[in-house]
Amino acid sequence: EIVMTQSPATLSVSPGERATLSCRASQSVSSNLAWYQQKPGQAPRLLIYGASTRATGIPARFSGSGSGTEFTLTISSLQSEDFAVYYCQQYNNWPRWTFGQGTKVEIK
Amino acid sequence: EVQLVESGGGLVQPGGSLRLSCAASGFTVSSNYMSWVRQAPGKGLEWVSVIYSGGSTYYADSVKGRFTISRDNSKNTLYLQMNSLRAEDTAVYYCARSPLVGAASGAFDIWGQGTMVTVSS
Repeated sequence: EIVMTQSPATLSVSPGERATLSCRASQSVSSNLAWYQQKPGQAPRLLIYGASTRATGIPARFSGSGSGTEFTLTISSLQSEDFAVYYCQQYNNWPRWTFGQGTKVEIK
Repeated sequence: EVQLVESGGGLVQPGGSLRLSCAASGFTVSSNYMSWVRQAPGKGLEWVSVIYSGGSTYYADSVKGRFTISRDNSKNTLYLQMNSLRAEDTAVYYCARSPLVGAASGAFDIWGQGTMVTVSS
């Protein structure tokens, strides 16, 4: 099983600031990496797939980078609606898809 | 509108059974990879099971031999039959779609709203 490790567990950021979230895979997943946003009481929403491609309707302030084992999700200027939990997911090892444990982005 | 709507959750005793349903609209279930993903209270996401467009099925080790994924093409609906339920199966269960082709194949681009399953005596 590929283990996905996210850091930090919690990120405190002020509105308008930049947020950088990390995700590390226990072995290479190439670019088969997705990011999701989840707000309380809601289902996850796909933000990024292929490590760097924004899903339909996702604002340009969200960007993804990385390949192999190291990945980053950057939110360039945090808006109030961006405070949520973010998960990474690898889909290189079919069909044993695995998620990271999540990073909570909270208001500083 | 493309959407997934789950139903069938509830309270069940340990050792009991439950069947979840996920009705799709706006796309064809059998033309995509369809999965169940669960989330225990206050915890992260765990992939549970998938059914391929060709009908092959796969399961997480934690549910293998107890859960069965299936679909009814005529109803465009996905199912999860859960038997021998345990307390650790308590979670919100989401159905989710992965597109058949493209760079997003394997990512979950459409999710249902989730249905809560509580296993407790």
